[in-house]
Amino acid sequence: AQSVAQPEDQVNVAEGNPLTVKCTYSVSGNPYLFWYVQYPNRGLQFLLKYITGDNLVKGSYGFEAEFNKSQTSFHLKKPSALVSDSALYFCAVSPLNNAGNMLTFGGGTRLMVKP
Amino acid sequence: DGGITQSPKYLFRKEGQNVTLSCEQNLNHDAMYWYRQDPGQGLRLIYYSQIVNDFQKGDIAEGYSVSREKKESFPLTVTSAQKNPTAFYLCASSMRGTATLAGGIGEQFFGPGTRLTVL
Repeated sequence: AQSVAQPEDQVNVAEGNPLTVKCTYSVSGNPYLFWYVQYPNRGLQFLLKYITGDNLVKGSYGFEAEFNKSQTSFHLKKPSALVSDSALYFCAVSPLNNAGNMLTFGGGTRLMVKP
Repeated sequence: DGGITQSPKYLFRKEGQNVTLSCEQNLNHDAMYWYRQDPGQGLRLIYYSQIVNDFQKGDIAEGYSVSREKKESFPLTVTSAQKNPTAFYLCASSMRGTATLAGGIGEQFFGPGTRLTVL
């Protein structure tokens, strides 16, 4: 069975500084990896995904994520944080051979960007 | 949240009552999902459906039931057997994934959620 770990419940960063939200995963075989963002009392919004190819994936709102197979990690990054980036972020994984589109989500990391 | 609607946004249930949460999508997706989100926790899968008239239990299906009579609709009933139903419920849909689908499996699109409170 697959699993996702987001080791930080909360990440605090000053506006304009780079941010990183960490994610590690465990899955049989090659993974599909996703990042989603959730604003208060809203559904999840898709940010980016890794399927295959270039290890650096670029997504919405200036976010990017780096796939590292040897470390089984998929950390979310942004060069310059905005106050509006403050939200709850979820990493999710699905195994490559999963025909059911089943995702396993991490527990979420709250990002707080302070002016 | 475009393409997926959930209603109502807020729902209150008395002890012993069944309630039904609505989920509709106009994205022509085959697969639909129901998740439960509790404070400080990630999403847990309740039920999913890959095609009309077929659905499967997720990790926490006890006390819940679903139907999938139409491609666009996947209602969730929270029954009186669910002892702790207060939570935020999220519906999602996606293209049905296959191992050979170009580009891999599609991402899931989420509705805005329904917050259920037991009085």
